[in-house]
Amino acid sequence: EAQVTQNPRYLITVTGKKLTVTCSQNMNHEYMSWYRQDPGLGLRQIYYSMNVEVTDKGDVPEGYKVSRKEKRNFPLILESPSPNQTSLYFCASSTDGNYGYTFGSGTRLTVV
Amino acid sequence: KQEVTQIPAALSVPEGENLVLNCSFTDSAIYNLQWFRQDPGKGLTSLLLIQSSQREQTSGRLNASLDKSSGRSTLYIAASQPGDSATYLCAGLPQGGSEKLVFGKGTKLTVNP
Repeated sequence: EAQVTQNPRYLITVTGKKLTVTCSQNMNHEYMSWYRQDPGLGLRQIYYSMNVEVTDKGDVPEGYKVSRKEKRNFPLILESPSPNQTSLYFCASSTDGNYGYTFGSGTRLTVV
Repeated sequence: KQEVTQIPAALSVPEGENLVLNCSFTDSAIYNLQWFRQDPGKGLTSLLLIQSSQREQTSGRLNASLDKSSGRSTLYIAASQPGDSATYLCAGLPQGGSEKLVFGKGTKLTVNP
């Protein structure tokens, strides 16, 4: 089944403890992105990648890192999480923009 | 900066009604547009994609159209069912090579039995 897989689905962590949210797609897609969803603010792009080793900032990149060492994987790294990064995170992928995006099931992160 | 407005923000209808959800972009230069459905606490499920050369797409009881001249899209749901209850999001990919989908804040639909 063609899909974007995120792990974990739920995560509660403490301020400052480094964490990684994994994202993997099995559709051989070139483009991958991370979004966060917050009440009243909607979905906002954090980072995106157009190919292996090519990444760029989205609208809200502060406090996040990404890497794209393999085509299928695009992990999101929070080096020192803070409570304002409590959010619902989505990974998405696309062949190219004209064919639409497939989203993962989301990761609900709580930073206390 | 591209902004997306979805109207109404919430809608409650009895089962069986036909309904229209609206989406508008401040900048009408949209390359393509996608409608998504989101159930509470869940991910985004793609419903319809209107590609750059298209103006309309249909899937079952759903029909979406895009007027590129005005930057407006509508999602038509025929014969609504309680299982259609969810939040519906529209997202546009701006022209000019951007890979950032710009999302509206959604319309929360409740279909009452």
